[in-house]
This record gives sequence, C-alpha cells and structure tokens, in this order.
Amino acid sequence: AQKVTQAQTEISVVEKEDVTLDCVYETRDTTYYLFWYKQPPSGELVFLIRRNSFDEQNEISGRYSWNFQKSTSSFNFTITASQVVDSAVYFCALSEVEGTGANNLFFGTGTRLTVIP
Amino acid sequence: DAGVTQSPTHLIKTRGQQVTLRCSPKSGHDTVSWYQQALGQGPQFIFQYYEEEERQRGNFPDRFSGHQFPNYSSELNVNALLLGDSALYLCASSLIRSGEQFFGPGTRLTVL
Repeated sequence: AQKVTQAQTEISVVEKEDVTLDCVYETRDTTYYLFWYKQPPSGELVFLIRRNSFDEQNEISGRYSWNFQKSTSSFNFTITASQVVDSAVYFCALSEVEGTGANNLFFGTGTRLTVIP
Repeated sequence: DAGVTQSPTHLIKTRGQQVTLRCSPKSGHDTVSWYQQALGQGPQFIFQYYEEEERQRGNFPDRFSGHQFPNYSSELNVNALLLGDSALYLCASSLIRSGEQFFGPGTRLTVL
C-alpha cells in the first residue's frame, strides 16, 4: 500500500530564511512518481514538480529545490530566501505508474508554511 | 487556454439530499479524477474516468458515483448526503499517458 508522511504539520519562518519541508513515502512499486503541490488560501492545488522514481537527480527551480533520496524514501522540498507569497499548505504526493500511465495520487496530510514579514 | 473549471464554487445541502458537481478538464486532456479534501487533511482519491468509464476507484461508498461525457467533462454525484461529506471536492485532469494532474479550484460542499 502507498503512504505519504509529512511529519511537519505547521512551520513558521521569518522572511528570507530558508525552509525545508519533509516528505517520506512508502510503496511496494518499483516505478512511481513523486509530486509536490502548493495550496494557497484560494484552495486550488498548484503543481510544483513531478519526479520519476528512476531519476534521483536533485532539481532546482529558482528559489525551490528538491532532494530525492530513494535509499531513505524521502523527497524533501527546500525554499530558499522565503517570501510572504510562499505562505500556503504544501502537499507531497505519490502515484503508481501502470502501463497506461496516469494514476491516482496519494497525498500526505500537508505542511502549513507561514512566512512572517 | 482555459485550465480546469468546476461548478458550482460553493454549495449548501442538507442531510439526505443528493448533489451533482461538475468539472471541465483542461483543453486536450482526456482523463478526469475526483478527490475529496476534508478540512485540514490532504485530498483523498474518489475515482478516475477515462473514455467515459470509471477506470480506478478509491475507498468511497457507492453513494459516490460519476460520469464522463464524450467531450471529456465529468460529473460527481453524491446521494444520501451525510454531515461527513462536507469537504472541498477537487477535480483534476490529465492525459492518460501522463502522470501530471492539473487541479481545478474545487467545489466547497457544506452538508447541514
């Protein structure tokens, strides 16, 4: 069975600080996708990144970076020089990859990030 | 290019009633998935539709049913509403061969 754990329920940082959001997952599948989504107060889930289980390269996109470590089943997300606009709930998610592609997402419970000006 | 749209935005129903939520996928997408997000929780998968058929289903009772139309839009129906059905219902669209799902703004359902 698939499971995604986000142990940090809430995090508060002062603007310009770096912050790391943790994500640990469980799956029996050898091929899977990992995701991060941002959910601002408006409620819409905003896609941030998708990572294939075969690709363990870290990725950087502007102030965002992701550290995927298969050995520890972790997919952590770091925001550098945080800004007030980063305040939101962040979800880590996992999906299987069947032959026909898109499959349902298993979400963690989310981490609420508050960036204080 | 319009993204995923959902209607209505908000809905208030009473216990025992039935509700229908609607979703139009992103242009070019052929697959629609529905999720339920209770307050303070992560979204939970309800079901997924492709080629007008239910392709996958999560752990939800038969009171939850759906439909996909030839234009790929979709409906979620919930019968015999319970107080616990109060949640944000999210629709996501994708291409069947892609793992990337795009979410709509959601419909917030309140059951009194």
